[in-house]
Amino acid sequence: QLQLQESDPGLVKPSETLSLTCTVSGDSINSRSYYWGWIRQPPGKGLEWIASLYYSGKTYYNPSLKSRVTMSVDTSKNHFSMNLTSVTAADTAVYFCARDSLNQYFFDFWGQGTLVTVSS
Amino acid sequence: QSVLTQPPSVSGAPGQRVTISCTGTSSNIGADYDVHWYQQLPGTAPKLLIYGNTDRPSGVPDRFSGSRSGTSASLAITGLQAEDEAIYYCQSYDTSLSASKVFGGGTKLTVL
Repeated sequence: QLQLQESDPGLVKPSETLSLTCTVSGDSINSRSYYWGWIRQPPGKGLEWIASLYYSGKTYYNPSLKSRVTMSVDTSKNHFSMNLTSVTAADTAVYFCARDSLNQYFFDFWGQGTLVTVSS
Repeated sequence: QSVLTQPPSVSGAPGQRVTISCTGTSSNIGADYDVHWYQQLPGTAPKLLIYGNTDRPSGVPDRFSGSRSGTSASLAITGLQAEDEAIYYCQSYDTSLSASKVFGGGTKLTVL
């Protein structure tokens, strides 16, 4: 059974960089059928797609976050990562990693999510 | 403000049928991009409920169904059960400004 598990950075200070890793088990991140993505949810609010990545390293980003986001993949560890720079309190959210269905544009498996709080 | 518009809340009694609408524009649903639906129970990750407008992943009861027409889509739930109380999100793909996956603002379903 496919499982995704986000790392837990917990508290990040304003202006610093938020780093997250998603470890995939039960499937190979080298799959040619899927992308792998990040979605976030501020407390009490809705969902926002952040970015998605293919095993080859090809990425595509939400235009509203593109200037601050970088995704990468480590196929040897079967995990992918995201960095979000210059964070503010507005970046406080639960961050989910998920399997992205490539050209069908939906997310079929999700991690449990990790709450990241931006505060000094 | 979300690109896709959903009602903030809907409600229904056990056994009843409810529908949740998702309204988009000519740059997303109206551009023939599929609509997908997710169910988020309290304190949990979203779960894919409907994909490709009408298809259900394995394990999702056939009480849940989806449809799309023009620039809108709908999720219907029949035989409402207490366990259906959750927040439901629609999602599609948008080509305005730059390509992006977009979500609706979510609809809270209350089972009376």
